[in-house]
Amino acid sequence: GENVEQHPSTLSVQEGDSAVIKCTYSDSASNYFPWYKQELGKRPQLIIDIRSNVGEKKDQRIAVTLNKTAKHFSLHITETQPEDSAVYFCAANHYGGSQGNLIFGKGTKLSVKP
Amino acid sequence: ETGVTQSPTHLIKTRGQQVTLRCSSQSGHNTVSWYQQALGQGPQFIFQYYREEENGRGNFPPRFSGLQFPNYSSELNVNALELDDSALYLCASSGGTSGETQYFGPGTRLLVL
Repeated sequence: GENVEQHPSTLSVQEGDSAVIKCTYSDSASNYFPWYKQELGKRPQLIIDIRSNVGEKKDQRIAVTLNKTAKHFSLHITETQPEDSAVYFCAANHYGGSQGNLIFGKGTKLSVKP
Repeated sequence: ETGVTQSPTHLIKTRGQQVTLRCSSQSGHNTVSWYQQALGQGPQFIFQYYREEENGRGNFPPRFSGLQFPNYSSELNVNALELDDSALYLCASSGGTSGETQYFGPGTRLLVL
């Protein structure tokens, strides 16, 4: 089955710096890769996603890149702000397969220092 | 915020008891997935329901069961509760115009004593 590894587990940056979180997946059939942000005590919130037919996607300060050959994808946050502090989860899914479940990484706790 | 709701928000049970958690999917979505999130971990897939049928199951024992109703809301039932079942239980709805994108509810925090 699919396995998703996420690094680093914790990341501390100064406000205004960039943050990069990396994930690798094992199942080459995976074709959908969302990123979720989870603040303490709240639900996971989708912040960006990418499909396997696209190499990069941007949404304001957030971007995601996908390398299908290497089976890894990354989240890039530029000009970080204190409100970006949260736990970020990557996930992979084989949409259209027999199971539509998301397999999550273990999360990255991002701290943005003012 | 998403249109996915869950009830109750918190629940305390004792070992051996049974529990039912509920999820209302977002309008237009026909698929509900359930996840267990232990403290400090990523969500783990329990099972998914698509148009009232189970559409995949993760590595959870049969005492975890569920169903989906004609209005696409869903229930998760856990029998013979164990201490390790203490976790945040999340449901996510998808389908329709959102396709594979899953939107999470606020979760039910279950504590088993």
